[in-house]
Amino acid sequence: KNEVEQSPQNLTAQEGEFITINCSYSVGISALHWLQQHPGGGIVSLFMLSSGKKKHGRLIATINIQEKHSSLHITASHPRDSAVYICAVRGGGGADGLTFGKGTHLIIQP
Amino acid sequence: DAGITQSPRHKVTETGTPVTLRCHQTENHRYMYWYRQDPGHGLRLIHYSYGVKDTDKGEVSDGYSVSRSKTEDFLLTLESATSSQTSVYFCAISDGGGGGIQPQHFGDGTRLSIL
Repeated sequence: KNEVEQSPQNLTAQEGEFITINCSYSVGISALHWLQQHPGGGIVSLFMLSSGKKKHGRLIATINIQEKHSSLHITASHPRDSAVYICAVRGGGGADGLTFGKGTHLIIQP
Repeated sequence: DAGITQSPRHKVTETGTPVTLRCHQTENHRYMYWYRQDPGHGLRLIHYSYGVKDTDKGEVSDGYSVSRSKTEDFLLTLESATSSQTSVYFCAISDGGGGGIQPQHFGDGTRLSIL
């Protein structure tokens, strides 16, 4: 079973700051997912990546397959970025579906 | 947004009663999943389906059963609900290739309270 660890668990920053959230996993994977969960509870898929880097607006996701590590960066952070960010990988062990980290609770203060 | 509808959105029931949650999709995606989300545990896979009548267990399947009689509907049943099954339940769908290598799209969740 793949173990997924995220850090930090909680992060409070000021508007405009550069944000980094980290994710590490224990077993080699084919793809890693970053998800966003807003205070209302809805979950949105941000990125799915298997190598290198992806960028969407102010969000950048990177992955290092050899080191089993991924980072999610937010540039020029804004209060609307306040949410829980969740990293997930395929579960392994014969079961389909995803195994999730416990999430990083991000608060951006104006 | 992916067309995924979960029903009901909220439910309060008593221990020992049967409960069925429904996930309906309009995307014709092959894969469907049920997850539960609990404080301190994050999201965990209960069951998933890789086609009509094809289902398999996930990490926390005890006490749950599922059925998929048509592509668009995936039902999660708690045969005899217990307080430990109080949670927020999410349905997700993905298109082809297995759950790990395609994006998953999530429903809005069902908040279930068992008293």
